[in-house]
Amino acid sequence: RKEVEQDPGPFNVPEGATVAFNCTYSNSASQSFFWYRQDCRKEPKLLMSVYSSGNEDGRFTAQLNRASQYISLLIRDSKLSDSATYLCVANQGGKLIFGQGTELSVKP
Amino acid sequence: DAMVIQNPRYQVTQFGKPVTLSCSQTLNHNVMYWYQQKSSQAPKLLFHYYDKDFNNEADTPDNFQSRRPNTSFCFLDIRSPGLGDAAMYLCATSRITGVGNEQFFGPGTRLTVL
Repeated sequence: RKEVEQDPGPFNVPEGATVAFNCTYSNSASQSFFWYRQDCRKEPKLLMSVYSSGNEDGRFTAQLNRASQYISLLIRDSKLSDSATYLCVANQGGKLIFGQGTELSVKP
Repeated sequence: DAMVIQNPRYQVTQFGKPVTLSCSQTLNHNVMYWYQQKSSQAPKLLFHYYDKDFNNEADTPDNFQSRRPNTSFCFLDIRSPGLGDAAMYLCATSRITGVGNEQFFGPGTRLTVL
């Protein structure tokens, strides 16, 4: 079983849609979590940090459920520019454990 | 702007010919990391430096070495590249380790091995 698991997608959604990505982690000692966005052939860019139950930044909302070892990322009102791969990351004692990423394609 | 810079952005080398990738940062972060990312895979941590303390991942091949001569610079040396080492190599930095260690990535160096 992978330490951080994500649905690889791709998720194909129309502009304006709401889309949710799910992520599960196996190590209950994970201290904090991040969502990174990675465009094709580019570096990961930090989208959001999650330390407690969740975080919200504009159209993006992350929720953490430690009991279920589950993190989600919700994107509201999707834009074409949101098309990318979204990486779920668990922080285990300072080491980042990356999920495989979920690919999102937003269509006109 | 404070940033993480990697040079070169694209590197082509021959099988077995040593290659060095460079990373520099203007963030004044204590920790620098090297990751290897192959197509459609998650980034894989190779090693990191906390200041001058080197931390190697258990499964990082001996073929990969690193140097950090000062706070700003970190190098990845691949002593004898094989075809399987073709990948994107990402450098990242963070202010600290532990909780709150958001990592900031450079643009990467894409390595091709002929």
